Amino acid sequence: GDSVTQMEGPVTLSEEAFLTINCTYTATGYPSLFWYVQYPGEGLQLLLKATKADDKGSNKGFEATYRKETTSFHLEKGSVQVSDSAVYFCALSRNTNAGKSTFGDGTTLTVKP
Amino acid sequence: NAGVTQTPKFRVLKTGQSMTLLCAQDMNHEYMYWYRQDPGMGLRLIHYSVGEGTTAKGEVPDGYNVSRLKKQNFLLGLESAAPSQTSVYFCASRQDRDGQEAFFGQGTRLTVV
Repeated sequence: GDSVTQMEGPVTLSEEAFLTINCTYTATGYPSLFWYVQYPGEGLQLLLKATKADDKGSNKGFEATYRKETTSFHLEKGSVQVSDSAVYFCALSRNTNAGKSTFGDGTTLTVKP
Repeated sequence: NAGVTQTPKFRVLKTGQSMTLLCAQDMNHEYMYWYRQDPGMGLRLIHYSVGEGTTAKGEVPDGYNVSRLKKQNFLLGLESAAPSQTSVYFCASRQDRDGQEAFFGQGTRLTVV
């Protein structure tokens, strides 16, 4: 079945540091790939997505590229801020599978001033 | 612009009590989902629905029932609560097209004592 493996946390960085959170997946067919972010006490919200190979999703300075050859969708940001502190989830879904999402376990990011 | 609304936000139950969690979405989405989130275990799918009047089991359905009598509402029931059901519960919905992200509610924090 489908699976998503993402970098274990927690990750602690200083403000303005470079961020990478690794994500790899296993899936049949051609899934869409997502990064969701969860702030304390809130639900998940979409950060960015990519729906086909070589697509790059971007939002709020975060980027991720859909790499089919390496089955990866790594999240990057060039300069993190304290406000980026949150839990980040990599996920995939296929509409042929009732749109069910498969999530990674989440990576907790803490950014210190 | 409500999106996905869950009620209640917090609840404490005694073992053996029953309760219903309500999820309402105003985006006319076909697909709806119930997840539970536990520390170190990511999000696990309890039940889902691909349309009004339909429901299906996810990966952890035992001890829960669901109903989707109206397209906009998805109810999650606990008939006899157990301490193992202490968790944060999230409802989500999405459109039934490829590449669509899930929209999440704010969560219900349930404690069973």
